[in-house]
Amino acid sequence: KQEVTQIPAALSVPEGENLVLNCSFTDSAIYNLQWFRQDPGKGLTSLLLIQSSQREQTSGRLNASLDKSSGRSTLYIAASQPGDSATYLCAVLDSNYQLIWGAGTKLIIKP
Amino acid sequence: KAGVTQTPRYLIKTRGQQVTLSCSPISGHRSVSWYQQTPGQGLQFLFEYFSETQRNKGNFPGRFSGRQFSNSRSEMNVSTLELGDSALYLCASSLVPGAGNTIYFGEGSWLTVV
Repeated sequence: KQEVTQIPAALSVPEGENLVLNCSFTDSAIYNLQWFRQDPGKGLTSLLLIQSSQREQTSGRLNASLDKSSGRSTLYIAASQPGDSATYLCAVLDSNYQLIWGAGTKLIIKP
Repeated sequence: KAGVTQTPRYLIKTRGQQVTLSCSPISGHRSVSWYQQTPGQGLQFLFEYFSETQRNKGNFPGRFSGRQFSNSRSEMNVSTLELGDSALYLCASSLVPGAGNTIYFGEGSWLTVV
């Protein structure tokens, strides 16, 4: 059974710092891995989608990597801003074509 | 271009009642999926519809059901509500099912069961 873990559960850093969020999964048989952000009381916004054959994707200040063999992904946020404060979730599309979610990392960027 | 629209946004129901939630996908999107989000269990997949057919179903009891109409709009129904059904129910749409397609979420329907 696929399980997705995100570490840390919460993170607070000063504005301007670069930071890394981690996501691990137990079964490497995935179709893709996606990173989302969720603002309080809101739905989810897709940030980056990495296909199983890809190693990384970039969008602006965000870079996500995927190492399928080790079951790990990282989301790198450069030059963090207060507007980046949100909960970040990763999800894998498993062999049953279902999205399996991590519990999220709550990120607070202090001005 | 309008996003994914979910109605109602907030509702309170009593144990034993039933509830129907609605989701209108982004125009042109034909795949709709539903998720339940709770503080204890996090996000869990409920089901996915494409072309009015349920393609996939998560591990939820039969009290949870859904359907999709010819215009791609979808509804989910929960019968005989239990306190544990209190959650944020999220709908997402994509052009078609597939690993390469970005999914777009609505803002969700907050259900409180009392």
